[in-house]
Amino acid sequence: DIQMTQSPSSLSASVGDRVTITCRASQGISNSLAWYQQKPGKVPKLLIYAASTLQSGVPSRFSGSGSGTDFTLTISSLQPEDVATYYCQKYNSVPRTFGRGTKVEIK
Amino acid sequence: EVQLVESGGGVVRPGGSLRLSCGTSGFKFDDYGMAWVRQVPGKGLEWVSHINWNGGSTTYADSVKGRFTISRDSARNSLYLQMSSLRAEDTALYHCARDGVGGGSYYSDHWGQGTLVTVSS
Repeated sequence: DIQMTQSPSSLSASVGDRVTITCRASQGISNSLAWYQQKPGKVPKLLIYAASTLQSGVPSRFSGSGSGTDFTLTISSLQPEDVATYYCQKYNSVPRTFGRGTKVEIK
Repeated sequence: EVQLVESGGGVVRPGGSLRLSCGTSGFKFDDYGMAWVRQVPGKGLEWVSHINWNGGSTTYADSVKGRFTISRDSARNSLYLQMSSLRAEDTALYHCARDGVGGGSYYSDHWGQGTLVTVSS
């Protein structure tokens, strides 16, 4: 099975900072990668699919990049409402594995 | 508005069975694949199972293969997960989720609130 390694597991940044989260697949997955945001006590919300396509309604400060094995989720200017855990998921094949998550906090 | 509402969770003894349901509305159910994803409270997400738009293709995580069965009923716009031979490690909040738009869009663009399954003696 393809493993998804997400890093860091947690980070603390200031409001307005640029934040980058990475997700690495153990084998190539083309661009079949999604990013989700899960706020405390809430269900996951789709942010990005196909590695870089922003889901409708998601603020433009979120962006995704990458292809093959290395992917990045970037928040260009961190806002207080972005406090959440972020997960990547590969969906090119079964099992559709999630990364272990990155918890983002405000410094 | 897309709505997914799970039900059927509860407390069950190890080795027991449970059937989860997910009622849907706000979209054409027959046009979408559906998935079950679980989450131990405070922990990460685990993909469990997927069924394609017409029920003709089903897939499972190795951790549940042979014990869980996913199905769907287009007349009821509902998704199901039959769980048997339950283990303590199956304890989690179970979410149903809808596939994204278009073929091959096996990510989840809408999620239900989940139903809690607790396996305990």
